[in-house]
Amino acid sequence: AQRVTQPEKLLSVFKGAPVELKCNYSYSGSPELFWYVQYSRQRLQLLLRHISRESIKGFTADLNKGETSFHLKKPFAQEEDSAMYYCATTGGGNKLTFGTGTQLKVEL
Amino acid sequence: DVKVTQSSRYLVKRTGEKVFLECVQDMDHENMFWYRQDPGLGLRLIYFSYDVKMKEKGDIPEGYSVSREKKERFSLILESASTNQTSMYLCASSFAGGTYNEQFFGPGTRLTVL
Repeated sequence: AQRVTQPEKLLSVFKGAPVELKCNYSYSGSPELFWYVQYSRQRLQLLLRHISRESIKGFTADLNKGETSFHLKKPFAQEEDSAMYYCATTGGGNKLTFGTGTQLKVEL
Repeated sequence: DVKVTQSSRYLVKRTGEKVFLECVQDMDHENMFWYRQDPGLGLRLIYFSYDVKMKEKGDIPEGYSVSREKKERFSLILESASTNQTSMYLCASSFAGGTYNEQFFGPGTRLTVL
């Protein structure tokens, strides 16, 4: 069964500093990886998926199959990036397995 | 604009009560999901449904059941609520087909069982 590990419960950075939210997965097949985000008092929503190779709100994530990682990165943190971030994977089909989440706090 | 609604934002029930959580989506999605969200544990899938009257157990189905009589509505049932079911419950829906389709989430129901 697939598993997702997010080692940090809380990550605190200063505004303008680089951000890296860590995510490691375990899956024997070809996984699909995603980052979901939940801003304060808002719904959980999709931020980005690895197959799109897109940058959303300045965030990028590269799938590294050798290290089984899908870390979320942003070069310069903004105050509005403060949120709970979940890494997730699906082994095919439409079921998602989520990590435990990382709370990102951007301080001024 | 996809809309997933949940019947209550906050709910307080007593141990042993039967609890119904309702979820409705208006985008004709085939798939619907129920998760619980707990600090330090992330989101865990309770049940999901890929069609009317179809259901499949998720990772933590014990103590829960579901009902999907209409495509747009997916209900989560706690037959006899217990204090360890105090949690935030999230409903989601998505299209079927293809390798993966984005899940759209409802606002959540915070259930407290006393």
